[in-house]
Amino acid sequence: GQSLEQPSEVTAVEGAIVQINCTYQTSGFYGLSWYQQHDGGAPTFLSYNALDGLEETGRFSSFLSRSDSYGYLLLQELQMKDSASYFCAVNRGKLIFGQGTELSVKP
Amino acid sequence: NAGVTQTPKFRVLKTGQSMTLLCAQDMNHEYMYWYRQDPGMGLRLIHYSVGEGTTAKGEVPDGYNVSRLKKQNFLLGLESAAPSQTSVYFCASSYGVAGGNGHNEQFFGPGTRLTVL
Repeated sequence: GQSLEQPSEVTAVEGAIVQINCTYQTSGFYGLSWYQQHDGGAPTFLSYNALDGLEETGRFSSFLSRSDSYGYLLLQELQMKDSASYFCAVNRGKLIFGQGTELSVKP
Repeated sequence: NAGVTQTPKFRVLKTGQSMTLLCAQDMNHEYMYWYRQDPGMGLRLIHYSVGEGTTAKGEVPDGYNVSRLKKQNFLLGLESAAPSQTSVYFCASSYGVAGGNGHNEQFFGPGTRLTVL
């Protein structure tokens, strides 16, 4: 089987750094993706890790460790507009999504 | 480019009624997907297509059918709607899938909010 676990909710203050973890139980996948969803709208792609290590895209970074079955999304210099749901997904040719983490950014 | 569009945006059905959700993409993508999203849950794959004329089952295919007669369109059908199919339905498309040499970003439509009474 395959499953992904994320915290259901995370709260942080504006300007801070927050890490959203994703642990998975699956074998044989191409990589780990992260998507952002505002207010139930269309999910949008944020980051992808095909290999172990850190990928940086502006304020967002994503990390993957296949040996630990673990990844995370790191958001720096938080802004109010970062309040959204964040989903990790393993790529097995198809995407298998986690249940999502709702991030609330407070002033 | 409009990207991925979905019609209708909202729909209310009675149990037993049928309907078709339409997804269109103008990015010349080979792969198209239908997901459903329920409160507090991630997206679950219903059916997908790897090219015109092909379809395949995803995680939760029961009660749904799909067709991909044209490359740019992917239709999701509910033959006899049930209250358990009340959900938000998202269509997505991608150029391909990761084959070990990279990823393939999926582009999502705005969703169809379906209520079955």
